Amino acid sequence: GAGVSQSPSNKVTEKGKDVELRCDPISGHTALYWYRQSLGQGLEFLIYFQGNSAPDKSGLPSDRFSAERTGGSVSTLTIQRTQQEDSAVYLCASSSYADGNTEAFFGQGTRLTVV
Amino acid sequence: LAKTTQPISMDSYEGQEVNITCSHNNIATNDYITWYQQFPSQGPRFIIQGYKTKVTNEVASLFIPADRKSSTLSLPRVSLSDTAVYYCLVVGLGGYNKLIFGAGTRLAVHP
Repeated sequence: GAGVSQSPSNKVTEKGKDVELRCDPISGHTALYWYRQSLGQGLEFLIYFQGNSAPDKSGLPSDRFSAERTGGSVSTLTIQRTQQEDSAVYLCASSSYADGNTEAFFGQGTRLTVV
Repeated sequence: LAKTTQPISMDSYEGQEVNITCSHNNIATNDYITWYQQFPSQGPRFIIQGYKTKVTNEVASLFIPADRKSSTLSLPRVSLSDTAVYYCLVVGLGGYNKLIFGAGTRLAVHP
């Protein structure tokens, strides 16, 4: 696609339910990132994929959070047993790092509300 | 991973030049300096990257001194639409490319 696509754009879920957030990176981008941003705050790093491998999962807040990437493309962030503090915008970004270019492209995010 | 420090907030007026300085004392030899802009309810957008000296594009200029321990993003003649949060990042090419965003600088442009 032309850019990074995230779905759904908005998600309201009940406390205790599981949710899946999807990220479609730009075709050919090997690096993929997930971030969380609470209202008025900066970007909190969650996890980084290089291809299908996740060399850094240090930002995942708890074992309720997990992510996978298949085929070096689509990634899914899963939050189990959602809590109200999980409410935030979840952002995905991808990059190729080709030819000395550090630019990462962000999606529009998924706004998650846990009620 | 080089840590970055930048002012929390800045104020300016339309038509003025705005300079936002970022310090990155522990920058490594293969690190690049990158700046992003974020508007409310949007993901960050890449503005500019540089390695040393000066880089200019249609949006901004980036000044990097010889020791590379700091950098200055320069926005010429700002308008109200430049009100946003600006993030300075240090990114290493080759190997593990972790992108860590700090708190950023919240720029408010006034009429």
